[in-house]
Amino acid sequence: QVQLQESGPGLVKPSQTLSLTCTVSGGSISSGGYYWSWIRQHPGKGLEWIGYIYYSGSTYYNPSLKSRVTISVDTSKNQFSLKLSSVTAADTAVYYCASKMVTRQYYDYWGQGTLVTVSS
Amino acid sequence: QSALTQPASVSGSPGQSITISCTGTSSDVGGYNYVSWYQQHPGKAPKLMIYDVSNRPSGVSNRFSGSKSGNTASLTISGLQAEDEADYYCSSYTSSSTLEVFGGGTKLTVL
Repeated sequence: QVQLQESGPGLVKPSQTLSLTCTVSGGSISSGGYYWSWIRQHPGKGLEWIGYIYYSGSTYYNPSLKSRVTISVDTSKNQFSLKLSSVTAADTAVYYCASKMVTRQYYDYWGQGTLVTVSS
Repeated sequence: QSALTQPASVSGSPGQSITISCTGTSSDVGGYNYVSWYQQHPGKAPKLMIYDVSNRPSGVSNRFSGSKSGNTASLTISGLQAEDEADYYCSSYTSSSTLEVFGGGTKLTVL
């Protein structure tokens, strides 16, 4: 059973870069077959796909965030990370890491989510 | 504004059935059988309930079922139970550069 756990600062100042890491257990990122994703949920709102990465480093980003997003993978630590630059209050959200098989169009494993607040 | 349209809320009494709709376009819901549904309790991560329009993952009650007609997908919950009270989100693959889209969510209240 794959488990995902987000970690990172819960408070980020405006204009700075939001950085989060997702640690994967119960499975190996480098074994392939999965996309490793970031999804966010604004307070009281719906879900928004941010992007995902394959173990090889190939990335796919939501066009609306692409200019500010970088997702990277560290297979040696079995982790993948999110960086979102030039944040504003509109980036305040619960950030989830999740995974889906490359041959599937649904997420079967999710982290518990972490709230990131953008405020000075 | 979410790409897929869901009603903001639905309600039903224990034992009843309810249906939640999810309307998209021919570029997403209508064009592919890749609609999924997630249940989210307050403060919890989403949980996959239905995938590929009408398939249930192992462990999900058969009280949950999914269907699709044209550009609208539906989630039906029969025999409502108090534990079903939660937010429900639909999602679909899309041929647009966004790749995947979610609905705005529907709050289910069990009266």
